[in-house]
Amino acid sequence: LAKTTQPISMDSYEGQEVNITCSHNNIATNDYITWYQQFPSQGPRFIIQGYKTKVTNEVASLFIPADRKSSTLSLPRVSLSDTAVYYCLVYSSASKIIFGSGTRLSIRP
Amino acid sequence: NAGVTQTPKFQVLKTGQSMTLQCAQDMNHNSMYWYRQDPGMGLRLIYYSASEGTTDKGEVPNGYNVSRLNKREFSLRLESAAPSQTSVYFCASSGISGYSNQPQHFGDGTRLSIL
Repeated sequence: LAKTTQPISMDSYEGQEVNITCSHNNIATNDYITWYQQFPSQGPRFIIQGYKTKVTNEVASLFIPADRKSSTLSLPRVSLSDTAVYYCLVYSSASKIIFGSGTRLSIRP
Repeated sequence: NAGVTQTPKFQVLKTGQSMTLQCAQDMNHNSMYWYRQDPGMGLRLIYYSASEGTTDKGEVPNGYNVSRLNKREFSLRLESAAPSQTSVYFCASSGISGYSNQPQHFGDGTRLSIL
């Protein structure tokens, strides 16, 4: 199973760009990299998914180097409402899903 | 748009009691999942159903059973509840096309306490 390693916590300020890096040295050829966001008392919410290079959507960008052993979630111009736990997952099938403990992101005014 | 609906939202059980957690999705997804989340921890997969008629064990299946009633509904049953099963339970669904790495959509959870 592709285990991921993320920082336990991060702090930033409103308006800043936040980059959360995830390490996944054992990623398999068919694995995709998926990031979820979770607010207290809610289920996780899908943010972004990618296989290689760069993926961008309306809320975030995902940067994946050529060796795919790490990935970086980039949140542009964060606000207080971005305070949440962010999970990095690497899997190609349900049997390989591991959420891990995630990164607790705190945004300050 | 309901998405994934879980019932009940809260439940308190006594040790040894049985209970079924219900989950339904209206997105025509093929795959459905049950997770548990203990305080301060990430989610752990209990069981999943890749398609109607199939179920498979996840990381922590002991003490649970599941039923994929139809394409929309996936239930989780605790036959004899134990205090160690106190947790928040999340149901999720994914995959219109059947690819199992597609993003999952989660319900709001069932908060279960076992005394």
